[in-house]
Amino acid sequence: EAGVAQSPRYKIIEKRQSVAFWCNPISGHATLYWYQQILGQGPKLLIQFQNNGVVDDSQLPKDRFSAERLKGVDSTLKIQPAKLEDSAVYLCASSGTDSLNQPQHFGDGTRLSIL
Amino acid sequence: GQQVMQIPQYQHVQEGEDFTTYCNSSTTLSNIQWYKQRPGGHPVFLIQLVKSGEVKKQKRLTFQFGEAKKNSSLHITATQTTDVGTYFCAGPSRAYQLIWGAGTKLIIKP
Repeated sequence: EAGVAQSPRYKIIEKRQSVAFWCNPISGHATLYWYQQILGQGPKLLIQFQNNGVVDDSQLPKDRFSAERLKGVDSTLKIQPAKLEDSAVYLCASSGTDSLNQPQHFGDGTRLSIL
Repeated sequence: GQQVMQIPQYQHVQEGEDFTTYCNSSTTLSNIQWYKQRPGGHPVFLIQLVKSGEVKKQKRLTFQFGEAKKNSSLHITATQTTDVGTYFCAGPSRAYQLIWGAGTKLIIKP
């Protein structure tokens, strides 16, 4: 089975610019996650979708971050405007419907550098 | 709030030595998952433990889930260079999300 696809792999922007990341989960996976992973730390959940509905976005900085999964498949995560502290790897993961009892499958991530 | 603590943060071992990482939750967990992240890579699922006192083995890796379902450990026997990476535990919260430990980085001394 094809894995989780993410693009781009790398992105360098200046602070206050905007950036968008794209994720295509494993076919049939209802649950999609966006994580932020700062160097040397564990993944931090930003937002979790079940199909096209948001399950949890409590740690998403909503003044600058937004995410959507309009048709319940692909998802985009946007940052506008970017800050220096947003430099991190943004990981997308997907799992089956029973999200707490099924493994999460991760994409390769997007490494974002803010200058 | 609910927390999952993982220790140590780093462990340096000589190749062939053993490695252990410990995971402790502030609350009882319905299950615990373990992931491995190679340098520059993404987390990869290793195993899920569900039952109290459960022990599972994958070749040189032994995973344990505590009797109270609040702690877990991963032990690697006779480490190899392919074991290098960061090992994360993760457990479900009451808010239907996985809470991740900070990870233990396994470093093989040259």
